[in-house]
Amino acid sequence: GNSVTQMEGPVTLSEEAFLTINCTYTATGYPSLFWYVQYPGEGLQLLLKATKADDKGSNKGFEATYRKETTSFHLEKGSVQVSDSAVYFCALRINNAGNMLTFGGGTRLMVKP
Amino acid sequence: DTGVSQDPRHKITKRGQNVTFRCDPISEHNRLYWYRQTLGQGPEFLTYFQNEAQLEKSRLLSDRFSAERPKGSFSTLEIQRTEQGDSAMYLCASTPADRVDQETQYFGPGTRLLVL
Repeated sequence: GNSVTQMEGPVTLSEEAFLTINCTYTATGYPSLFWYVQYPGEGLQLLLKATKADDKGSNKGFEATYRKETTSFHLEKGSVQVSDSAVYFCALRINNAGNMLTFGGGTRLMVKP
Repeated sequence: DTGVSQDPRHKITKRGQNVTFRCDPISEHNRLYWYRQTLGQGPEFLTYFQNEAQLEKSRLLSDRFSAERPKGSFSTLEIQRTEQGDSAMYLCASTPADRVDQETQYFGPGTRLLVL
């Protein structure tokens, strides 16, 4: 089946630190990959996505590269801010299979001033 | 604001009672999805609709769960004879009809259910 594994949190960083949140997946088909973010008290928001191998998704200073050879889609940001504190979810979608998302368990990021 | 809306935002019920949640997708989005998110976990897919047709329902957690989208606009999710294990956040998402954007699911704020 399809599954997504994320590093467990919480991840606690100081402002301006470098962030990496690891995400690996297993898939029965050829997936598109996503990172969603959930800020406190808010709904899930799409952060970035990549639809084929070697694509790099980016948004708000966050980046993730679709690595087919390592089945990974790690999230990175060069300098985090307090406002980045949230829960981050990695997800996959198998193309032409209903469009439903399979999510990882989420990683809570806490950024301290 | 024309995002996905869900009602109610919070629901407390006693075990054995029936509950119904409503989701209003973004206007003209033809696909609508339901997910469940338990505490500390990622969302788990339940079912989805394309217009009024329910195309996947095998992931509904039990026969106590049912969903409808009678006119292809809003949808309802019903849980009959609730159990304490049903306590969770129930999320709704929709995607636009435009094929290019079909990948992006827009999520509502969720309905948090607590079964006592």
